Amino acid sequence: EAQVTQNPRYLITVTGKKLTVTCSQNMNHEYMSWYRQDPGLGLRQIYYSMNVEVTDKGDVPEGYKVSRKEKRNFPLILESPSPNQTSLYFCASSLSGAEQYFGPGTRLTVT
Amino acid sequence: AQKITQTQPGMFVQEKEAVTLDCTYDTSDQSYGLFWYKQPSSGEMIFLIYQGSYDEQNATEGRYSLNFQKARKSANLVISASQLGDSAMYFCAMRDWALTGGGNKLTFGTGTQLKVEL
Repeated sequence: EAQVTQNPRYLITVTGKKLTVTCSQNMNHEYMSWYRQDPGLGLRQIYYSMNVEVTDKGDVPEGYKVSRKEKRNFPLILESPSPNQTSLYFCASSLSGAEQYFGPGTRLTVT
Repeated sequence: AQKITQTQPGMFVQEKEAVTLDCTYDTSDQSYGLFWYKQPSSGEMIFLIYQGSYDEQNATEGRYSLNFQKARKSANLVISASQLGDSAMYFCAMRDWALTGGGNKLTFGTGTQLKVEL
């Protein structure tokens, strides 16, 4: 089954404790993105990748890092999380110019 | 810059009635795509329908249709014969094909919360 998986689905952590949210897709898509969703703001792109070893900033990259060492994986790293990074995070993948497939979301709370 | 506007934070509709969710967009480019996604309370993003800027016909997918008015820059979603399971948040989004960066970035509106009542 074609899918995008994210782990963990729910995470509560404390300020400053490094964390990684994993994202994996099994569709051989070149493009992968991370979005965050906040009430009243819709979804905003954090980082994206157009292929292995090619990543770039989206609209709200501050406080986040990503890597793309393999085509299927695109982890999101928060080196020193802060409460303003409490949000719902989505990973998405797509072929060039096509519909984006979203993962199930990761609900992160930073206290 | 691209912008999507959804002016209805919340809508109510009776079961079996049709409902229109509004979406207007702003772009200076000629080549773009418009998407609608549904987000139920469980949180996942479900793709509903797509309209390309050069498509002559309005897109339809089952009970969903997209009322595309290019000159007015609007892309309203019409749900016919509403069902209780249609209660969800609905997002309009745009992909600008002319945008060289952004990796297929979608620009989202703020969403409309739809509640279907008996």
